[in-house]
Amino acid sequence: ETGVTQTPRHLVMGMTNKKSLKCEQHLGHNAMYWYKQSAKKPLELMFVYNFKEQTENNSVPSRFSPECPNSSHLFLHLHTLQPEDSALYLCASSHRDGKTSYEQYFGPGTRLTVT
Amino acid sequence: KNQVEQSPQSLIILEGKNCTLQCNYTVSPFSNLRWYKQDTGRGPVSLTIMTFSENTKSNGRYTATLDADTKQSSLHITASQLSDSASYICVVSSTTDSWGKLQFGAGTQVVVTP
Repeated sequence: ETGVTQTPRHLVMGMTNKKSLKCEQHLGHNAMYWYKQSAKKPLELMFVYNFKEQTENNSVPSRFSPECPNSSHLFLHLHTLQPEDSALYLCASSHRDGKTSYEQYFGPGTRLTVT
Repeated sequence: KNQVEQSPQSLIILEGKNCTLQCNYTVSPFSNLRWYKQDTGRGPVSLTIMTFSENTKSNGRYTATLDADTKQSSLHITASQLSDSASYICVVSSTTDSWGKLQFGAGTQVVVTP
């Protein structure tokens, strides 16, 4: 897990709170991703950043706001979440070369519970 | 409808026994197929990756097969160990996705008992 780290590992927040998830990759990659993983469902892609530029927003509600200050760090800002947003949030990174994206390496995830 | 379907949803096996997990996909045109292992509380870790021309790939006690004609893949675990208890996720990518968007299966939860 030293390749991609995520903090915090667990988070409990109320529906009116504001919190942020942090992801850092130490692999020299130039693309980073946020995924949502709900129980017994496939991973859902939320956002993609390539060289700090957001290249994909997969119809994610505005209560999730990503930020990518550089190619090594990725944040997910959360505000006024709903109970159905409770899930495991995974960050991943990969190398991208033009139109080719190589293997994605995942962090350990943040287990989010919205009360 | 999900383009990657996995079966069974879960299974329990005795330590030392073998098992086979299935993955059917409709993703087209096909680029590659990966199997990931996800331990509880951890992120997914890649086990194997196969392209169109490869029909089998091994990683220790894990052997993946691919039939690109029938769009099916399997992951065989030999002589299972307690540490094999995890979720196994099949992931397929298409050549048409400019940035390598992945299609994920829902996973098969494997429990290995002593």
